[in-house]
Amino acid sequence: NAGVTQTPKFQVLKTGQSMTLQCAQDMNHNSMYWYRQDPGMGLRLIYYSASEGTTDKGEVPNGYNVSRLNKREFSLRLESAAPSQTSVYFCASSESQIGTQYFGPGTRLTVL
Amino acid sequence: SQQGEEDPQALSIQEGENATMNCSYKTSINNLQWYRQNSGRGLVHLILIRSNEREKHSGRLRVTLDTSKKSSSLLITASRAADTASYFCATLGGFKTIFGAGTRLFVKA
Repeated sequence: NAGVTQTPKFQVLKTGQSMTLQCAQDMNHNSMYWYRQDPGMGLRLIYYSASEGTTDKGEVPNGYNVSRLNKREFSLRLESAAPSQTSVYFCASSESQIGTQYFGPGTRLTVL
Repeated sequence: SQQGEEDPQALSIQEGENATMNCSYKTSINNLQWYRQNSGRGLVHLILIRSNEREKHSGRLRVTLDTSKKSSSLLITASRAADTASYFCATLGGFKTIFGAGTRLFVKA
């Protein structure tokens, strides 16, 4: 089992460019999450999907969109990247919303 | 706003010593979890304690929870250099998990 996988590992964008971060899990989990982590801070929830077919905003959703493509995959899209979105992005999944979360290795994004 | 706040922000100890990290939170919770993050990596779950539990052990880890004070502590006994990492508490209230800013632990060999 690969657990939670994320692509790409690194990305550099120019302001205004768009991109999609991909996340997949092979644990048959119902819930999936996207977080961002800025230097010296904990993780902040961007969006989450409690189950296939549903998505909800987290703490910092502005500038992002998500798609729960199927039970395995949950993607995060930046439509028009801004320097403030420079961060490390983590995807996570859990069996249920109250369960332990399992994290991917992260995507380090720099917006110039 | 962040629910959990860890204390201290950074901790440096010698190998073999015990390390204690504290977490305070503001609202009612269903459970509280501790995670570890090695530099440049994703978070790894360490232990979960439910709101009706007061203490939990897992190997060299001991977690306590005091819901009346809205606080938790993580004790790592007989620390090793490999324990060097950042440690985060995460509180689950309702259906949202909120992470604190973390404690950076450095264990000197």
